[in-house]
Amino acid sequence: EVQLLGSGGGFVQPGGSLRLSCTASGFTFSDFPMAWVRQAPGKGLEWVAMISGRGRDSYYAASVKGRFAITRDNTNNVLYLQMTRLRVEDTAVYFCAKQTHTGGWYGFDSWGQGSLVAVSS
Amino acid sequence: ETTLTQSPAFVSASPGDTVSISCQASRDIDDDMNWYQQKPGESPVLILHEATTLAPGIPPRFSGSGFGTHFTLVINNIESEDAALYFCLQHDEFPYTFGQGTRLEIK
Repeated sequence: EVQLLGSGGGFVQPGGSLRLSCTASGFTFSDFPMAWVRQAPGKGLEWVAMISGRGRDSYYAASVKGRFAITRDNTNNVLYLQMTRLRVEDTAVYFCAKQTHTGGWYGFDSWGQGSLVAVSS
Repeated sequence: ETTLTQSPAFVSASPGDTVSISCQASRDIDDDMNWYQQKPGESPVLILHEATTLAPGIPPRFSGSGFGTHFTLVINNIESEDAALYFCLQHDEFPYTFGQGTRLEIK
């Protein structure tokens, strides 16, 4: 059974930094691209970033490019999102998500439980 | 960036009804469309991928159609457990984009 366990959320002031983690199990982690998707309170879903299985390629939403970095540790099956220069508008629940297929770029078939990031002064 | 226009934003239905939700893409995205269901306080659940393929464990009351720019999610014989938010997602190009969501209320 695929499991994605997110951690690392919390409260931070504008301009601060935070690192989210997502520990995966139940599948061959390095075979699958992974992503972060966020949802502001009462709002819809927003794709944030995505990384290839081996970690060589990554893509970002314009709203976070240059401030956030997605990485992965395929030895320990962990996905990360390093968030810097946080803004109030980054406040959201952050989900990690597993791609449906190996190879290529596809949508997501499994989601973590979500980690709340609250940016406020 | 590919914009997805999802409609309606809200739909109310009675058990046994059929509901259709539309997702219009601003450009041709082949069949690179997924549909998700999200209940309050929960993570999204994959319903359909590649526009028409039912995800494992999803009842066949759910079906999808479309290719190119227009896609539809149909829920037949609505049940009370179908009350949720539904989103479409395009994964044809980066940045991936979601529709605004459709809230399904069961009367």
